[in-house]
Amino acid sequence: DTEVTQTPKHLVMGMTNKKSLKCEQHMGHRAMYWYKQKAKKPPELMFVYSYEKLSINESVPSRFSPECPNSSLLNLHLHALQPEDSALYLCASSQGIPPGRQDTEAFFGQGTRLTVV
Amino acid sequence: SQKIEQNSEALNIQEGKTATLTCNYTNYSPAYLQWYRQDPGRGPVFLLLIRENEKEKRKERLKVTFDTTLKQSLFHITASQPADSATYLCAHPALNTGFQKLVFGTGTRLLVSP
Repeated sequence: DTEVTQTPKHLVMGMTNKKSLKCEQHMGHRAMYWYKQKAKKPPELMFVYSYEKLSINESVPSRFSPECPNSSLLNLHLHALQPEDSALYLCASSQGIPPGRQDTEAFFGQGTRLTVV
Repeated sequence: SQKIEQNSEALNIQEGKTATLTCNYTNYSPAYLQWYRQDPGRGPVFLLLIRENEKEKRKERLKVTFDTTLKQSLFHITASQPADSATYLCAHPALNTGFQKLVFGTGTRLLVSP
C-alpha cells in the first residue's frame, strides 16, 4: 500500500463551523506533513510531524490545529476559518530522516478541496 | 530566502517531441532536487530525485540533470505523449530544517498536443 488517503475530498464550511480533515498512511512512514495550495501556486508547508511530534509549524494561524494521534494518522482541525483559507489542503508522508540519510521523497494524498463561505 | 524559479509560462509541444523544463535555484546549494508531477485538483506525485554529486538521472522516458555551477536542473521527457500533460514541480530541502521542509518551485504546465 503506497497510498496516502485524505478525507473528505471536498468540504464547504461556514466561518463559524468546526471541522476536521483526516489523513492516513500505512507505509510505516514516520514523517507526516500538511501543505496548503492555492490555485496556480506551489504547495506551501504548514506543519511537519516527525515521529508523532510536531517539529515544524510555519507560523500558521491558530485557527488551524494539527494533531497526530499515532504514526499512521494525521488530522487538521479547523475552526473559525476565513474565506481566504479556501484552498486545496494536502497531506503527505515520507520515511522520515534517520541519522545519516538526507533524502526522502514525499507521498502526497489527493487533497481536500476546502471552501469557506 | 531560498527561491526556486520555474518557467511560469506553459510549454506547448507536439506529441513525440522532447519536452525540456527548467528549474533554477538561488542563494544556496541544496543537497538534492526532486521533481514532481501534479494533475489539476490532485496531489503531486514524486518522479525523480537527483543528488548534488550526480550529474544525470534517468527513469524510463524521464531524464533529470543537475548543474551545481549554473544552479540549475533540467527535466526532460522524451517521446512525449498527451498523457504527459500536467504541471511539473521541482523542489529542494530548505536550509537548516533537518531536510524536513521542501521548498517548491512555481511549476511549469506542460501541454502535449496530438
